[in-house]
Amino acid sequence: KNQVEQSPQSLIILEGKNCTLQCNYTVSPFSNLRWYKQDTGRGPVSLTIMTFSENTKSNGRYTATLDADTKQSSLHITASQLSDSASYICVVSAGQAGTALIFGKGTTLSVSS
Amino acid sequence: EPEVTQTPSHQVTQMGQEVILRCVPISNHLYFYWYRQILGQKVEFLVSFYNNEISEKSEIFDDQFSVERPDGSNFTLKIRSTKLEDSAMYFCASIRDRAPLNSGNTIYFGEGSWLTVV
Repeated sequence: KNQVEQSPQSLIILEGKNCTLQCNYTVSPFSNLRWYKQDTGRGPVSLTIMTFSENTKSNGRYTATLDADTKQSSLHITASQLSDSASYICVVSAGQAGTALIFGKGTTLSVSS
Repeated sequence: EPEVTQTPSHQVTQMGQEVILRCVPISNHLYFYWYRQILGQKVEFLVSFYNNEISEKSEIFDDQFSVERPDGSNFTLKIRSTKLEDSAMYFCASIRDRAPLNSGNTIYFGEGSWLTVV
């Protein structure tokens, strides 16, 4: 069964600190992996997209990694800001055409001052 | 920054009533999606739409649901007879290319329509 598991479920860090969120997936056939940021009550906003051949993708203070062999991805946030407080969702595209999006449950990040 | 717009932002309806949620995808996009997110749970795929027909749907998307693109710009989700368990945030999304997800193109989500069935 196609699944995307994220850890930790929630995380609290101090402003300015770094953190790493994890995503493990069992999705076949794999097409690509995306990280989204979702503020409470808002729609998800894309952070990064990685296809099979990409190992690292950066977007400002966000850096995503992908290990297709171990089926793991991470999202690293550097120098966290209060505005980073949100849910971070790992989404894996599956199927031959990649039209099936498998969502993780997300990691809720709280950045405090 | 292009955006997907959804209306209404919030709707309260009585059980058994019909609801239509509206979406205006980004103008040059070709693939459209509806997702839902029950409070506290993960986002779930409902249906994808391309070239004026459904290309894929999940088991959630039963006969109570339908989608259409009535006028070439709007993309609607209709729930014929709402149930309490239909209460959720419904997200519309769109993407540009015909083979969108293999190419890794960005999927743009709307801000959602929060449906409460009482």
